[in-house]
Amino acid sequence: GAGVSQSPSNKVTEKGKDVELRCDPISGHTALYWYRQSLGQGLEFLIYFQGNSAPDKSGLPSDRFSAERTGGSVSTLTIQRTQQEDSAVYLCASNLGVMVEGETQYFGPGTRLLVL
Amino acid sequence: GQSLEQPSEVTAVEGAIVQINCTYQTSGFYGLSWYQQHDGGAPTFLSYNALDGLEETGRFSSFLSRSDSYGYLLLQELQMKDSASYFCASHSGGYQKVTFGIGTKLQVIP
Repeated sequence: GAGVSQSPSNKVTEKGKDVELRCDPISGHTALYWYRQSLGQGLEFLIYFQGNSAPDKSGLPSDRFSAERTGGSVSTLTIQRTQQEDSAVYLCASNLGVMVEGETQYFGPGTRLLVL
Repeated sequence: GQSLEQPSEVTAVEGAIVQINCTYQTSGFYGLSWYQQHDGGAPTFLSYNALDGLEETGRFSSFLSRSDSYGYLLLQELQMKDSASYFCASHSGGYQKVTFGIGTKLQVIP
């Protein structure tokens, strides 16, 4: 498709289970970002990929969170042993990543995660 | 570190003009972006300012003062569909790290 896609769109899980969230960026976009948005809150930066490398993981809230990107395209965000406070919308964004000043980030529709 | 402040809520009348302010504390600052997000939707890009002054795009304008670490988004001829959250975001760092504010929820009333 033409835009950023994410799957699943909604995920309900039980506390303690692991979840995997997927992001398909726009074709040709080398930069990929993960954000978390809690209800009524702003966007919290989680991690940034340039190609398959993650030069900035500073936003990952704990070691239960990890992410990878393969082939410079699809990225997976994994949350292990989920907790109720992990409930949020997880947004993925991508751009060309060529450090064009002010380059737009294109966001996917998000995955709504609910941990019971 | 990076931090941005913007009002949490603003209410304005259809057809009027509204200004949403944003102050930032950003090391290695490059510029300021604005994004719009409707309830349940994804953020979409509105504008970007790297230099001081006003950038106009249709009914929306954005302003930046680097010396004051301040910017605003100006929405003119408000329409009901403009009801949404508006985020300012600062760009910094070698790879254009983007830090978002908490967002301003704009309600347009008849």
